[in-house]
Amino acid sequence: QVHLQESGPGLVKPSETLSLTCTVSGGSTSTYYWSWIRQPPGKGLEWIGYIYYSGSTNSNPSLKSRVTISLDTSKNQFSLKLRSVTAADTAVYYCAIGQYNLRSWGLGTLVTVSS
Amino acid sequence: QSALTQPASVSGSPGQSITISCTGTSSDVGGYDFVSWYQQHPGKVPKLMIYEVSNRPSGVPDRFSGSKSGNTASLTISGLQAEDESDYYCSSYTSSNTLLFGGGTELTVL
Repeated sequence: QVHLQESGPGLVKPSETLSLTCTVSGGSTSTYYWSWIRQPPGKGLEWIGYIYYSGSTNSNPSLKSRVTISLDTSKNQFSLKLRSVTAADTAVYYCAIGQYNLRSWGLGTLVTVSS
Repeated sequence: QSALTQPASVSGSPGQSITISCTGTSSDVGGYDFVSWYQQHPGKVPKLMIYEVSNRPSGVPDRFSGSKSGNTASLTISGLQAEDESDYYCSSYTSSNTLLFGGGTELTVL
């Protein structure tokens, strides 16, 4: 059973960069796809992007210019960076295993964008 | 990319069956058998209930079933139970190699 846990600052200032890490246990980031999803308070799910173990990535066209997803197989972690954040980026951020079948999710971490 | 279209809410009585629709286009739902459904109770993590249109992960009751016709996928819950009251989201792989979610449907068990 793969477990995932998000970590990172819960508060980010507008125009700065949101940085989150997902630590994987019970599985290896040297295989498969790893994804990020977010959910603004009271709203629906939004796919952010994924990284394949080979290092290839893809992301939501609406976020593509601001998103970087990376992988550190030595630490069994993958990361998300979202640049130039605004209040609209306030959300619970989830990491998950999978490309289009998101089988296991982390518990999520709330990131608030505010000065 | 616009979100897949789901009804905002559906309701049913215990024991009844309900169906939640998820409408997209030929570039997503209609073009691929990579539609998934997630259940999310308030304040909880989404849980995969159906993958690749009609497959159930281990542990998901067979009361949950999925299907697809054209550009519309459907989740059917039969023998509705109080614990099924939740938000449900569909998702689909797209021709751009991205993932698209539906807006979500709130299921109320009367």
